[in-house]
Amino acid sequence: DGGITQSPKYLFRKEGQNVTLSCEQNLNHDAMYWYRQDPGQGLRLIYYSQIVNDFQKGDIAEGYSVSREKKESFPLTVTSAQKNPTAFYLCASSTGSRYQPQHFGDGTRLSIL
Amino acid sequence: RKEVEQDPGPFNVPEGATVAFNCTYSNSASQSFFWYRQDCRKEPKLLMSVYSSGNEDGRFTAQLNRASQYISLLIRDSKLSDSATYLCVVTSMDSSYKLIFGSGTRLLVRP
Repeated sequence: DGGITQSPKYLFRKEGQNVTLSCEQNLNHDAMYWYRQDPGQGLRLIYYSQIVNDFQKGDIAEGYSVSREKKESFPLTVTSAQKNPTAFYLCASSTGSRYQPQHFGDGTRLSIL
Repeated sequence: RKEVEQDPGPFNVPEGATVAFNCTYSNSASQSFFWYRQDCRKEPKLLMSVYSSGNEDGRFTAQLNRASQYISLLIRDSKLSDSATYLCVVTSMDSSYKLIFGSGTRLLVRP
């Protein structure tokens, strides 16, 4: 079945530690996105990539980094510079054509130990 | 002003009721509009796109009013399983590849 796979489902970070969230898709989508959702809040865009080897900052990129070396993969690293990382992280993809909806993985919940 | 604004609710309705949500957006140049559904602690899932002429999918009807910059979602014959948060989504001012998600309207359908 085609879809978006995020791992792990739950992740705990120690102070000063970088952690990496995985996102893989087999939908042959060109565009991929990372969002953060805090309890009772909407989705906020962290980074997005419209094509391999290229990505752009979203609205809250500070303390995060990404790479897009393969079409299928768009990992997100939460660095120690992100002082409030506890949130629900969602990866999405779309065809990359303008005005298209996005489809989401089932998310990773990150907490601080 | 937020790019997308929704009444957070909750809307508490009995089974079988008809309920409507509105959403306003600030970018008059937005070209694409969607409704997503998000269950508690789950990912958002696309419910339906919203077309200029309005569109229907079973019990769900979406309308777009460009002049007043709002979109609506009507749910007829509510089911218990319709209980969820409904997210209004529009194209960003910055880029047609980016979507802006509203904070959502919570719907509770009671027996």
